[in-house]
Amino acid sequence: SQKIEQNSEALNIQEGKTATLTCNYTNYSPAYLQWYRQDPGRGPVFLLLIRENEKEKRKERLKVTFDTTLKQSLFHITASQPADSATYLCALPGYSSASKIIFGSGTRLSIRP
Amino acid sequence: EPEVTQTPSHQVTQMGQEVILRCVPISNHLYFYWYRQILGQKVEFLVSFYNNEISEKSEIFDDQFSVERPDGSNFTLKIRSTKLEDSAMYFCASSARTGKETQYFGPGTRLLVL
Repeated sequence: SQKIEQNSEALNIQEGKTATLTCNYTNYSPAYLQWYRQDPGRGPVFLLLIRENEKEKRKERLKVTFDTTLKQSLFHITASQPADSATYLCALPGYSSASKIIFGSGTRLSIRP
Repeated sequence: EPEVTQTPSHQVTQMGQEVILRCVPISNHLYFYWYRQILGQKVEFLVSFYNNEISEKSEIFDDQFSVERPDGSNFTLKIRSTKLEDSAMYFCASSARTGKETQYFGPGTRLLVL
């Protein structure tokens, strides 16, 4: 079955630096990959979707890359701010059906002032 | 900006009781979903719903669970006889016909079964 791994449970960086989060997946080739943000006790919030034919996508201070050969996505937040502190979830469509999302376990990002 | 809403925000129930969790998806969306997240664990898919029927369900979604769209706006999840292990956050989500890959999540209902 498909497996999603996010590189670390927690990442702690200084304000102003670039945060880089990693998502690796195995056992299939998704047509797209998404990143969501989740704050404690809240639902996931959609951030970015990148398709298999796109190498990179940007939205304001966010950048996502998608390497289908390595089966990896990198998620970058530039000029990080304390308000960026949250858990970031990598998400893929279901293997047999795109009507569901399979989430990674998330990386908890903390930005210290 | 339109958003998914869920009620109640918190629900405490006794084991064996029935609970109904309610959701109002974004108004022009056609695809509806329920997910759950046990404390400290991943967000897990339960069920997807389209055109008044279940499109897909996970192994978690057994005979104790059911979903319904009783009118043009509400989408409900019923757990017939709750178990301790049903304690979790339950999230409703919806997606549009165009760009249905992206699902928009509600704030969740925290269910505690005692």
